[in-house]
Amino acid sequence: DAKTTQPPSMDCAEGRAANLPCNHSTISGNEYVYWYRQIHSQGPQYIIHGLKNNETNEMASLIITEDRKSSTLILPHATLRDTAVYYCIVRRGSQGNLIFGKGTKLSVKP
Amino acid sequence: GAGVSQSPSNKVTEKGKDVELRCDPISGHTALYWYRQSLGQGLEFLIYFQGNSAPDKSGLPSDRFSAERTGGSVSTLTIQRTQQEDSAVYLCASSLRKAGGPNTGELFFGEGSRLTVL
Repeated sequence: DAKTTQPPSMDCAEGRAANLPCNHSTISGNEYVYWYRQIHSQGPQYIIHGLKNNETNEMASLIITEDRKSSTLILPHATLRDTAVYYCIVRRGSQGNLIFGKGTKLSVKP
Repeated sequence: GAGVSQSPSNKVTEKGKDVELRCDPISGHTALYWYRQSLGQGLEFLIYFQGNSAPDKSGLPSDRFSAERTGGSVSTLTIQRTQQEDSAVYLCASSLRKAGGPNTGELFFGEGSRLTVL
């Protein structure tokens, strides 16, 4: 699977949009981009995934660049409960394994 | 409950003892994963089961670690002759793989089993 690069940490003001970047310059055509997050002392939680098109669900939006070499997870109105480590993962659709990197520690501040 | 269930939630053992950790996946989920997370660290993949296929054991750190999945449902992770460096939270996850199509990738995680080796 292609590797991803994320900033180790980010801050965001409560109520503002949180934009979390991820670089995956070696992504292959059949690899998906997944985002998970892990709130302190809990198991990771699925957020969203996509292949080429931008995706939106009740939690977040995923913007994938046209060349697919990078993506951005957007939390439109961050709350204190969104403080967590956010993981960007790329994976072949048919491969079951999911490899987590170090992620970005997002701190939402009042 | 409807989620992934793990037991025990906490386990304290002495160095050299064997431990077993149990995972009950979500009913009907065909894929099951084990990860571990040491204090302040990221998730380390251990092993992955998918249906009746041979498991992907590529993440097991040593031959002291093994896992079984009986009847395509419950899984047990066994650590023999535990060492202090085995202390971590062991997380289990399951997912539903659609036949003939890509795995949606949505893993549902349990709350983990915290193992402390003294």
